Amino acid sequence: GESVGLHLPTLSVQEGDNSIINCAYSNSASDYFIWYKQESGKGPQFIIDIRSNMDKRQGQRVTVLLNKTVKHLSLQIAATQPGDSAVYFCASQGGYQKVTFGTGTKLQVIP
Amino acid sequence: KAGVTQTPRYLIKTRGQQVTLSCSPISGHRSVSWYQQTPGQGLQFLFEYFSETQRNKGNFPGRFSGRQFSNSRSEMNVSTLELGDSALYLCASSLVSGAEETQYFGPGTRLLVL
Repeated sequence: GESVGLHLPTLSVQEGDNSIINCAYSNSASDYFIWYKQESGKGPQFIIDIRSNMDKRQGQRVTVLLNKTVKHLSLQIAATQPGDSAVYFCASQGGYQKVTFGTGTKLQVIP
Repeated sequence: KAGVTQTPRYLIKTRGQQVTLSCSPISGHRSVSWYQQTPGQGLQFLFEYFSETQRNKGNFPGRFSGRQFSNSRSEMNVSTLELGDSALYLCASSLVSGAEETQYFGPGTRLLVL
């Protein structure tokens, strides 16, 4: 069945360093991908999205890379700050199917 | 514009009881999806409603049900609660149902079943 998974459950980075969070998806029909950030006690918050006709998209301090060949996407956070500490989810959607979420990666920023 | 709101935020029930959770989507959004989130698990899709009709359904037992009203507000109901139903229940809304529609989440309702 379709699955969206994350390579690392927990990632610890030093404040100021760059963070890279990875995600693999299995459904080759997926054509829309989203990264969410969930802080403790809150619902997931949209960070950035990318469509399958792109391989890179940049936002403020964040970049998402999509490799459709190996069905992999990543979220890069530049100059990681303590406020970036949260759980990050990738999500994928194909056609009119429901969105499928990964299990999440916990990012810990060390001051 | 106000975000997605969910009520109540916290709830404690006992086994066998039933519970109803409410979700008000962002103004103008017509699609509402419900998810269950438990420790160590990802977001598990429950169901999606659009224009008062269930569009998609996840792999949950029939004890989990939902509905959507004409103003797009949605409720989900869980009957005969079990201990394993303890979770954070998240509601997400989007403009329409379909491809490439970003979902915006509410803060969730944390349900504890004793």
